[in-house]
Amino acid sequence: QSVLTQPPSVSGAPGQRVTISCTGSGSNMGAGYDVHWYQLVPGSAPKLLIYDNNNRPSGVPDRFSGSKSGASASLAITGLQAEDEAIYYCQSYDSSLSGLEKWVFGGGTKLTVL
Amino acid sequence: QVQLQESGPGLVKPSETLSLICTVSGASISGSISNYNYYWGWIRQPPGKGLEWIGTTSYSGNTYYNPSLKSRVTVSEDTSRNQLSLRLSSVTAADTAVYYCARLKGRRYRLVGYYYMDVWGKGTTVTVSS
Repeated sequence: QSVLTQPPSVSGAPGQRVTISCTGSGSNMGAGYDVHWYQLVPGSAPKLLIYDNNNRPSGVPDRFSGSKSGASASLAITGLQAEDEAIYYCQSYDSSLSGLEKWVFGGGTKLTVL
Repeated sequence: QVQLQESGPGLVKPSETLSLICTVSGASISGSISNYNYYWGWIRQPPGKGLEWIGTTSYSGNTYYNPSLKSRVTVSEDTSRNQLSLRLSSVTAADTAVYYCARLKGRRYRLVGYYYMDVWGKGTTVTVSS
């Protein structure tokens, strides 16, 4: 069971907009820790898509955007393209108990482009 | 361009120690740049499951481990070779996974919990089996 909760799958047609949710708690995102998003394509190195809730690294298209409110966050992808088919993970930091702090990930969401 | 490459045995026997190396090119593992600190870490993905953070080390010698793995894990840096290493002892089938190394980036004045993985290796598959 992942500390951050994501839907297992989402899908959309080319050109459409999809969103992927990420739900945490008061010991991670709700405590003020930022959320970051990664894209995993089998056989390739994972790629940082969004950092610090809503910032895109250089080279990431502006079709990708992120937001965070309290203990929840979301990743939006507009103008879906076939190359966006991948698994997306949210990540934050959890400090539920002293000495048990850790970086945590969501369970991952598989995006299918129809 | 910063690149990370994992290497090590693809098959480890139960109860033995898993040892992996991450070779870093395009950046030094022993320092910071401008307003950012760079730490180095390991993440894994068991078959059919999500990502799990294993451990992180900093150039200043601080180490951070996943509480669930802490008793079995050692993450260290070899600055002379610009490499990061992972040792996981007493492995079982549950340790079968793709293992990734990654660079963690964060602003100098921020707590380590705000650091994120900005560069990753492609990963290496490790199977625990007799």
